[in-house]
Amino acid sequence: AQSVTQPDIHITVSEGASLELRCNYSYGATPYLFWYVQSPGQGLQLLLKYFSGDTLVQGIKGFEAEFKRSQSSFNLRKPSVHWSDAAEYFCAVGSDSWGKLQFGAGTQVVVTP
Amino acid sequence: EPEVTQTPSHQVTQMGQEVILRCVPISNHLYFYWYRQILGQKVEFLVSFYNNEISEKSEIFDDQFSVERPDGSNFTLKIRSTKLEDSAMYFCASSRLTTYNEQFFGPGTRLTVL
Repeated sequence: AQSVTQPDIHITVSEGASLELRCNYSYGATPYLFWYVQSPGQGLQLLLKYFSGDTLVQGIKGFEAEFKRSQSSFNLRKPSVHWSDAAEYFCAVGSDSWGKLQFGAGTQVVVTP
Repeated sequence: EPEVTQTPSHQVTQMGQEVILRCVPISNHLYFYWYRQILGQKVEFLVSFYNNEISEKSEIFDDQFSVERPDGSNFTLKIRSTKLEDSAMYFCASSRLTTYNEQFFGPGTRLTVL
């Protein structure tokens, strides 16, 4: 069965510092991988996605993620965080073309001045 | 930019009452979904819907739940007899048929069952 693990429940980072959020997945075939962000009281906004091809994908708001098949990981990175990046971040995996998404538990990011 | 909309933003109901949550997916999307997020927990898949029928549902989606696309724009989730444990944020999502799994989410409806 497929699963998604986000090992870090909570991360605190200083404004201007770099950020890396971890995501590990378990799935037999090539997964479709996503990162979503949820700001307080808001819905889920898609940051970026990986289907195939280049393993380093660029997203919105200056985020990028790298797919590493050997490590079953899809970690999200941002070189320099802004206070507006404080939110909860969810990694998700899709099992087939139009099927359900399975979400990780989320990582809450707090940005300090 | 087109977006998924949901109404109401917050619904309070008494246990045992029926509720209908409404969603307007993006207009050229053909696949529709409902997810829920109980406070402090992960987002969970409930059901997917395509071509006027359910294509997949989770074990959460029991006989108390139903979905419908009553017209060309709305997509609804009905809970027939709400329970306390149905209190959650419910998200609607939609995707284009030709875009693998790329689902666009609405802002959610917070359902509170008293």
